[in-house]
Amino acid sequence: EAAVTQSPRNKVTVTGGNVTLSCRQTNSHNYMYWYRQDTGHGLRLIHYSYGAGNLQIGDVPDGYKATRTTQEDFFLLLELASPSQTSLYFCASAGGGRDQNTLYFGAGTRLSVL
Amino acid sequence: GEQVEQLPSSLIVQEGASVLINCSYTDSASVYFPWYKQEPGKRLQFIIDIRSNMERKQTQRLTLLFDKKTKHLSLHITATQPGDSAIYFCSASIGSFNKLTFGAGTRLAVCP
Repeated sequence: EAAVTQSPRNKVTVTGGNVTLSCRQTNSHNYMYWYRQDTGHGLRLIHYSYGAGNLQIGDVPDGYKATRTTQEDFFLLLELASPSQTSLYFCASAGGGRDQNTLYFGAGTRLSVL
Repeated sequence: GEQVEQLPSSLIVQEGASVLINCSYTDSASVYFPWYKQEPGKRLQFIIDIRSNMERKQTQRLTLLFDKKTKHLSLHITATQPGDSAIYFCSASIGSFNKLTFGAGTRLAVCP
């Protein structure tokens, strides 16, 4: 089964703080995604990438930067965190083999901005 | 952009009952509709999908119906078990880069 690892699992920061969420997939998938999950909104796409060095803007990108340093690693950066960014963040990857359309999700990072 | 709506937002049923989860979307360019399940404390996982050139797809106790004219999908789960308790998400994609738009989810609780 596809493996997607997120770190940290939990993070607390203060308003204006700097946060980096990490995601690594070891399945040679081309596509990687960052979503946030909030009650009443489901999952909303922040940024995504279809390969190392590539970055695409999602549906709710404001306040977030992302960087895909290698095929395996995708980072989400909050440079001036705000309380509205308190959420559960999921990374996902897709694009390998027979089930190329299936997204494989990480376990999530719960971020609290105080 | 695409918007996906799911109803109901929550359901409580007795074990063995059947349930129906409805989903509608707005963008007629959407062609691929996967569903994901999020069990308590676990990661989201794919459960079933359908493409816009199909009307019906079934796998085990899941049946997914698709109506292109009304832009509506429905997921039917039969013979529910407590292990089916989860949040179910409908999603839609126009097909490029697997970029999915998700609904808000339907929380299903199956009581033994």
